[in-house]
Amino acid sequence: GESVGLHLPTLSVQEGDNSIINCAYSNSASDYFIWYKQESGKGPQFIIDIRSNMDKRQGQRVTVLLNKTVKHLSLQIAATQPGDSAVYFCAEEGDFGNEKLTFGTGTRLTIIP
Amino acid sequence: DTGVSQDPRHKITKRGQNVTFRCDPISEHNRLYWYRQTLGQGPEFLTYFQNEAQLEKSRLLSDRFSAERPKGSFSTLEIQRTEQGDSAMYLCASSLGDIYNEQFFGPGTRLTVL
Repeated sequence: GESVGLHLPTLSVQEGDNSIINCAYSNSASDYFIWYKQESGKGPQFIIDIRSNMDKRQGQRVTVLLNKTVKHLSLQIAATQPGDSAVYFCAEEGDFGNEKLTFGTGTRLTIIP
Repeated sequence: DTGVSQDPRHKITKRGQNVTFRCDPISEHNRLYWYRQTLGQGPEFLTYFQNEAQLEKSRLLSDRFSAERPKGSFSTLEIQRTEQGDSAMYLCASSLGDIYNEQFFGPGTRLTVL
């Protein structure tokens, strides 16, 4: 079936450095993608989203890149801080939007002080 | 705090017992979703509501599971005759219901079935 997956389960980055988290998706009909951050014991927290008609979107310290040709998403976090340590999930919505989300397994990001 | 609340936050029960969880979405949100998350995995979709209508159910939602949203506001998720495999975090999310609207998640209810 269609699925969303991540390349790396864990990532350690020195505080202040930039980090990149990657995600591959397989449903070419998906038209909306979201990155969530989840801290221990909490629900997922929205970080940034992107529609399929865009290839880049920037937020505060975060950038999402979408490459529809190879069905790949990435989340770039600039100048990482200890509070960025969490599990990051990419998720996709179906081609009609605002329906169920399909999540990947997640990448655990650890910021080294 | 996203504005979505869930109760209880933790539930420990014995196998075979029934449990019920409650979710209070953000007040103006039309759509309400339930997801289940096991350790080390991403959330998996269970079901969702548009106001009081249940529009889709995952095949993960066996006949022991039932969800309601009777007045289009809060929702309940009941699991009957719990099994150890039901142990998971149950997450609720809500959204405005328009296209391309993010889903806001609650803190989840952690269920442990002994």
